[in-house]
Amino acid sequence: GAVVSQHPSWVICKSGTSVKIECRSLDFQATTMFWYRQFPKQSLMLMATSNEGSKATYEQGVEKDKFLINHASLTLSTLTVTSAHPEDSSFYICSAVQTDDYEQYFGPGTRLTVT
Amino acid sequence: DQQVKQNSPSLSVQEGRISILNCDYTNSMFDYFLWYKKYPAEGPTFLISISSIKDKNEDGRFTVFLNKSAKHLSLHIVPSQPGDSAVYFCAASAYGGTASKLTFGTGTRLQVTL
Repeated sequence: GAVVSQHPSWVICKSGTSVKIECRSLDFQATTMFWYRQFPKQSLMLMATSNEGSKATYEQGVEKDKFLINHASLTLSTLTVTSAHPEDSSFYICSAVQTDDYEQYFGPGTRLTVT
Repeated sequence: DQQVKQNSPSLSVQEGRISILNCDYTNSMFDYFLWYKKYPAEGPTFLISISSIKDKNEDGRFTVFLNKSAKHLSLHIVPSQPGDSAVYFCAASAYGGTASKLTFGTGTRLQVTL
């Protein structure tokens, strides 16, 4: 089956630093990847749509300069949280759309804690 | 503006009984609906979906019903099993099925008791 991985699964960083989260489609190519964020006991909120080789499209209210997204290959998208603050602490989940069947597969998520 | 709502934050059902999870939406452009199961600190796992051209889709113990006029869908799980205990999210997309961006509901925590 189609597998999406995220790395790291859990990261703690200090306020003001940047942290990069990787999303990989392990056994398929994905021209489109999505980044979601989930706060405790809340819904998953779409942050941005990432298309291979082009700039990401951000949802309203998401700061593109703070959440840098790069989709440099058909199997890898990265989300960099720049100058992280405690309010950025959340669970970040990516998903990838398989080019062949247009199904969306989710990664296991990354828990970010900013101290 | 929460376009997809799950009004019951939690539901407790006895093993063997039917679990019914409900979801309402407001955006008329949504034409594809999905249900996901999720455990804490894990990504969502796809369960079942339905296109707006249908009113029912069944897969094993899971059945999804769609009432477009009421903008309402429901997930039936029968018989419910302890392993079904998790948080269930409904999600909706417009113009592209599962390949397009999803709008998630607020989730319902299902607990199946022995």
